[in-house]
Amino acid sequence: DTAVSQTPKYLVTQMGNDKSIKCEQNLGHDTMYWYKQDSKKFLKIMFSYNNKELIINETVPNRFSPKSPDKAHLNLHINSLELGDSAVYFCASSQSGGKSNQPQHFGDGTRLSIL
Amino acid sequence: GESVGLHLPTLSVQEGDNSIINCAYSNSASDYFIWYKQESGKGPQFIIDIRSNMDKRQGQRVTVLLNKTVKHLSLQIAATQPGDSAVYFCAENTGAQKLVFGQGTRLTINP
Repeated sequence: DTAVSQTPKYLVTQMGNDKSIKCEQNLGHDTMYWYKQDSKKFLKIMFSYNNKELIINETVPNRFSPKSPDKAHLNLHINSLELGDSAVYFCASSQSGGKSNQPQHFGDGTRLSIL
Repeated sequence: GESVGLHLPTLSVQEGDNSIINCAYSNSASDYFIWYKQESGKGPQFIIDIRSNMDKRQGQRVTVLLNKTVKHLSLQIAATQPGDSAVYFCAENTGAQKLVFGQGTRLTINP
């Protein structure tokens, strides 16, 4: 059973289009994240949600809008796609542990290519 | 600023040898560190973690060492196998579950 699943795995689209990526986790975690990995493998956090509440927003352009309908889902909608949005987007989840940190578990990524 | 870096971007070792991957971090307030393994076409996979109140933690064939004095983290993999070939990332928790990732080291295991 896949713990953190993202769809689609590949997304090829034209500049200017709007697209969404979906993420679901079945680990019972209460915190979910979106990361962007560029062509040099650099991985950077974009957003995190805890129990549907936005916790981290790393100065991502407002063309990116995350939505969390419940704590098992965190979707990412991107408006007016630009060439620089081409990357692999990873969803992750973890259980918030108060003072005790817990590792984040990642999906297998969505490779977004803008033509 | 926040940054986590790796001393070597690539590392090649012979199968069966031990490997050591190093990482430097800059945020002295970070209290939790994780090593991830990323294989081609997959997401980062958790290997081992360590909290700042420890300086060593062992798992199956892996050991993480933390030196807070010099803000250095290392991952030791014993008796490397072909399946260990991947990109390895260190990450530090800078607060509120915010992970800052290092650049990554590509480990290649030669037969």
